Amino acid sequence: EIVLTQSPGTLSLSPGERATLSCRASQSVSSNSLGWYRQKPGQAPTLLIYGASSRATGIPDRFSGSGSGTDFTLTISRLEPEDFAVYYCQQYGSSPFTFGPGTKVDIK
Amino acid sequence: QVQLVESGGGVVQPGGSLRLSCAASGFRFNIFGMHWVRQSPGKGLEWVAYVRYDGGNEKYADSVKGRFTISRDNSKNTLFLQMSGLRAEDTAVYYCAKKFDNDDVFDVWGQGTMVTVSS
Repeated sequence: EIVLTQSPGTLSLSPGERATLSCRASQSVSSNSLGWYRQKPGQAPTLLIYGASSRATGIPDRFSGSGSGTDFTLTISRLEPEDFAVYYCQQYGSSPFTFGPGTKVDIK
Repeated sequence: QVQLVESGGGVVQPGGSLRLSCAASGFRFNIFGMHWVRQSPGKGLEWVAYVRYDGGNEKYADSVKGRFTISRDNSKNTLFLQMSGLRAEDTAVYYCAKKFDNDDVFDVWGQGTMVTVSS
């Protein structure tokens, strides 16, 4: 099973600032099969990124994903009020599909 | 619009059984794989099970293998999760989620149904 680690656990930033979130895998994720989700309180997650760097339908271009192998990054170029939430990475290169523990982005 | 609506959650005693349903609408249900994902209260996300578009190629998390069964009825656009031998650690919100094209990411989620295992 591939274990995902996310850092930092919490990121305190102000609206308009840049956020950089990290996701590290315990072994290489095949075909860069890595996705990112945002989950607002009381809601289901929303898919942001798939294939490590492809934005999902309707996702604004302030969200970008990068990385390969075992190290991946989600960057939010300018935080909007709705971006203060929890972010999860997920690998789907091999079963069982696994999620990271999440990074909480809160308002500084 | 594209929608998934779960039902069937509730309170069940340890060792009991429960069947969750997920009604799909707004898309061609019979050509997409489907997943169940759960989230324990205040915790992160855990993938539970997957079924291919035609009902085959079932996959399970080790934590539920042998106790849970995923299935689907394409004639009714409905996904199921039969849960038995329930444990306290199965307490969670259960989401059904649609597979995105050829990638096992989840591009459509239901609102979730709560399952509580308690005596």
